[in-house]
Amino acid sequence: EPEVTQTPSHQVTQMGQEVILRCVPISNHLYFYWYRQILGQKVEFLVSFYNNEISEKSEIFDDQFSVERPDGSNFTLKIRSTKLEDSAMYFCASSEREYGYGYTFGSGTRLTVV
Amino acid sequence: LAKTTQPISMDSYEGQEVNITCSHNNIATNDYITWYQQFPSQGPRFIIQGYKTKVTNEVASLFIPADRKSSTLSLPRVSLSDTAVYYCLVGDIGDNQGGKLIFGQGTELSVKP
Repeated sequence: EPEVTQTPSHQVTQMGQEVILRCVPISNHLYFYWYRQILGQKVEFLVSFYNNEISEKSEIFDDQFSVERPDGSNFTLKIRSTKLEDSAMYFCASSEREYGYGYTFGSGTRLTVV
Repeated sequence: LAKTTQPISMDSYEGQEVNITCSHNNIATNDYITWYQQFPSQGPRFIIQGYKTKVTNEVASLFIPADRKSSTLSLPRVSLSDTAVYYCLVGDIGDNQGGKLIFGQGTELSVKP
């Protein structure tokens, strides 16, 4: 079964540092997403990406965040000047089409900001 | 996007059938109902999606009454490995909003031996 691969599985960073979370979506998928889940809380939408541009972003996804698809396989989330409250699981997902059906999530990157 | 309401938690025993009901009174004509499963420290996993009546796959069944104001996810003969959080989501496949999913708190299912 095709998978969405995320690296690293765990990242510890100091407050104020920049981190890049990496994702390899399923190869024939066209829509890409980032979500995050703070420990004990809901899964929250961050951003969706289609045709090399952002389709939609949430209020959480402010200027601190950026996404990029630098080549045909990788999809990255950059967080600049990390804060303690950025500590969370970050999930990448991809889908063949919009909304719900056939969404595949990765196993996540646990980001710890100290 | 329609708001959903589902029980916070449920307990079951191995081998039993588990039914998790989700209320979505404000579901719109174009909305589909989708269920996801999440294990601890893993990403959500798509289980099943439907629009009306009944949908069945190798994992679960989804029952949707005629008024579509609720839906029931049915897991046959659960095992310990079905212990997870189950999310009900409602939305329009073609609403051109980038396909974002809005997760609620979900139902934490605990399966005991």
